[in-house]
Amino acid sequence: DAKTTQPPSMDCAEGRAANLPCNHSTISGNEYVYWYRQIHSQGPQYIIHGLKNNETNEMASLIITEDRKSSTLILPHATLRDTAVYYCIVRVANNLFFGTGTRLTVIP
Amino acid sequence: KAGVTQTPRYLIKTRGQQVTLSCSPISGHRSVSWYQQTPGQGLQFLFEYFSETQRNKGNFPGRFSGRQFSNSRSEMNVSTLELGDSALYLCASSQSTGPDTQYFGPGTRLTVL
Repeated sequence: DAKTTQPPSMDCAEGRAANLPCNHSTISGNEYVYWYRQIHSQGPQYIIHGLKNNETNEMASLIITEDRKSSTLILPHATLRDTAVYYCIVRVANNLFFGTGTRLTVIP
Repeated sequence: KAGVTQTPRYLIKTRGQQVTLSCSPISGHRSVSWYQQTPGQGLQFLFEYFSETQRNKGNFPGRFSGRQFSNSRSEMNVSTLELGDSALYLCASSQSTGPDTQYFGPGTRLTVL
């Protein structure tokens, strides 16, 4: 599975959009980009995934560059409950390889 | 639909003992994967079961084993516990094997004294 690179931490003001970047320059054509988040000591929560096209669901939007070498997870209106570690994962097999993720802190 | 459940939620054992953790997947899900999370190593894949067969295995010693039952419930076993086995053990289920979305349970916190 391709490796991902994420900034270790980010802050975001409550109510503003949180944009979390992820680099996956060695991604293969059939590898999906998945995003999960983990709130302290809980199980990771699935957020969204995509292959080539941008995706949106009730939680977030996923923007994937045309060359697929990077992506951005967008939380449109961050709340204090969005404070968590966010993991960007690329995978083709059924096992997920988690990196160190980005610790997002939403500030009141 | 109920989520992934794991039992017990917390467990304390001593070195040398063995432990069995249980995972019940989301109804209809046939694949169960196990992960170990420690502060030093992060989240690491242990193994995956699908239709009672181990499909993938991570880089863990043979003391870590698992099985899956015909109703898709899964157990993992750790024998001869070591202090370094203290971790959060997470189970995730998906409908099938392959690149399918995995949904995680709350985890079992194992402490080895």
